[in-house]
Amino acid sequence: KNEVEQSPQNLTAQEGEFITINCSYSVGISALHWLQQHPGGGIVSLFMLSSGKKKHGRLIATINIQEKHSSLHITASHPRDSAVYICAAPSGGTSYGKLTFGQGTILTVHP
Amino acid sequence: DAMVIQNPRYQVTQFGKPVTLSCSQTLNHNVMYWYQQKSSQAPKLLFHYYDKDFNNEADTPDNFQSRRPNTSFCFLDIRSPGLGDAAMYLCATSRVLSTQDSPLHFGNGTRLTVT
Repeated sequence: KNEVEQSPQNLTAQEGEFITINCSYSVGISALHWLQQHPGGGIVSLFMLSSGKKKHGRLIATINIQEKHSSLHITASHPRDSAVYICAAPSGGTSYGKLTFGQGTILTVHP
Repeated sequence: DAMVIQNPRYQVTQFGKPVTLSCSQTLNHNVMYWYQQKSSQAPKLLFHYYDKDFNNEADTPDNFQSRRPNTSFCFLDIRSPGLGDAAMYLCATSRVLSTQDSPLHFGNGTRLTVT
């Protein structure tokens, strides 16, 4: 069982819809990363959060450290939001530079 | 804009022919990482530098080497590429080593094809 689990694995939406992607993790961490990767492209760091909620434009990320759960929301989705969204948790221990990645959520937004 | 730049964007090499991928950063970050990402898989950490200290992941093949001549540049050398080394190679930086305290900044990646 992966230490970082995302759901759903695939998500299709119509333009304008509100989107939620969930992430649960079993490792003990104090922060979680949300990343975005467009097809064939590099990775963009969207959020790193350790508590509460962060907002950037139409993207909102929330985290509950005690419940080991985080969500990424996209309001008023747009076709350009189509990408793979990945949550990643620091691996901890002596490997502080390491991230454990979720399997990613493939989001497709249709016009 | 401060950023992480990888060159080239696409690289084709022949089986067994050494190849070097480059990464530069204008963020003045202490830590630089190299990840390998194969199709439909999560990125896999190969190694990282914390300043000049090199840290190799235990399962990184000996075929992969890295150099960091200064803060700004980091190179990935593949001594004898095999077909299984075809992948996207991602460079990333962070201000501090702990990924609990600092986000990662990724480059656009170099897609390596081995013929």
